Amino acid sequence: AQSVTQLDSHVSVSEGTPVLLRCNYSSSYSPSLFWYVQHPNKGLQLLLKYTSAATLVKGINGFEAEFKKSETSFHLTKPSAHMSDAAEYFCVVSDRSNDYKLSFGAGTTVTVRA
Amino acid sequence: GAGVSQSPSNKVTEKGKDVELRCDPISGHTALYWYRQSLGQGLEFLIYFQGNSAPDKSGLPSDRFSAERTGGSVSTLTIQRTQQEDSAVYLCASSLGLRSTDNTEAFFGQGTRLTVV
Repeated sequence: AQSVTQLDSHVSVSEGTPVLLRCNYSSSYSPSLFWYVQHPNKGLQLLLKYTSAATLVKGINGFEAEFKKSETSFHLTKPSAHMSDAAEYFCVVSDRSNDYKLSFGAGTTVTVRA
Repeated sequence: GAGVSQSPSNKVTEKGKDVELRCDPISGHTALYWYRQSLGQGLEFLIYFQGNSAPDKSGLPSDRFSAERTGGSVSTLTIQRTQQEDSAVYLCASSLGLRSTDNTEAFFGQGTRLTVV
């Protein structure tokens, strides 16, 4: 079955500096990959998704992620963090191995220092 | 409706009582998920419905938990004989359920906050 591992449970950055959230996936098939964000006391919102097109995916709020098959990674980046980026981020994978069920990572909490 | 609707938004129940949580998915979405999120924790998968296939119940924590999806649309999550450890936010999500590498994202409801006292 497919799975994802988010390599950092907590990331702390200064406002205006780059953000990197690391995600490795495991899949025996061609996966779909997603990043979701959850702000405090809010619902989950899709940031971006990779299906089968371009490997560099741009999402909302200046985030982007690159699908690297050779490294089985789908890291999320943003060039300059804003205070509003403080949230929980989830990496998600799906493939045909269990009927395309979404599998969530454990999440990465991002704090942004002024 | 335009999005995934869950009801009630908040539920307080006494230990030992049964509760039913409802999810109205986006029209036309064949895939539906239930997750649980305890305070400060990640998402715990509960159950997955995909079209007419048998549901994936592998995440249900005990036989006190069950879920139905009637007519391929509305879903109800039932918790029998609630315990204090069942207190959490229960999230429902739906997606188009495309069985392909162009699988689409899941859209989440706002959740039901369950408190067992």
